[in-house]
Amino acid sequence: GAVVSQHPSRVICKSGTSVKIECRSLDFQATTMFWYRQFPKKSLMLMATSNEGSKATYEQGVEKDKFLINHASLTLSTLTVTSAHPEDSSFYICSAEEDRAVGNTIYFGEGSWLTVV
Amino acid sequence: DAKTTQPPSMDCAEGRAANLPCNHSTISGNEYVYWYRQIHSQGPQYIIHGLKNNETNEMASLIITEDRKSSTLILPHATLRDTAVYYCIVRGLNYGGSQGNLIFGKGTKLSVKP
Repeated sequence: GAVVSQHPSRVICKSGTSVKIECRSLDFQATTMFWYRQFPKKSLMLMATSNEGSKATYEQGVEKDKFLINHASLTLSTLTVTSAHPEDSSFYICSAEEDRAVGNTIYFGEGSWLTVV
Repeated sequence: DAKTTQPPSMDCAEGRAANLPCNHSTISGNEYVYWYRQIHSQGPQYIIHGLKNNETNEMASLIITEDRKSSTLILPHATLRDTAVYYCIVRGLNYGGSQGNLIFGKGTKLSVKP
């Protein structure tokens, strides 16, 4: 199946710094990508929908100035956690929608573990 | 978005078929049913999706009832590596008819035992 790659898989950063996570669709074009976060033993929570060439749509309660999303090409979306704090430590997962007709398949990346110290 | 109901956990013997049920009684006509699974500390893995007809691929079969109010994911010969949380998701439609997001519930924790 189609592959979505995230990088880095694990990152540790200091409080107050920013960290960028990349999400790439390796063998298909993705106009739409999605960003989720997941806390231990909890389900995935949708943070935002990223559309190529336009502003991301954030879910209620997600701070757009803190979680910057850029989707500059059909194969790359980035999530930047700005001024990170320990409570931002989480498992961040992206997904990409294969551009087809209705009934598209959405593939997920491997996830990125963020630890803020 | 149509809500789904899944049992919180299930056990299955290795080599046997695993049948995972999902109720989605409020599903509307153009909403697809998607199944994913997540193995600990990994991103969700796509399994299968369908609209009305039963679907089969190399991983599983998806059986959707005629009224579309429920579905069953079938892993024909479960292995230990199939132990995971399985999510049944109905993908809603946005205003205007475009497809919406995948909203995850709590899923079913499937434990395949030797």
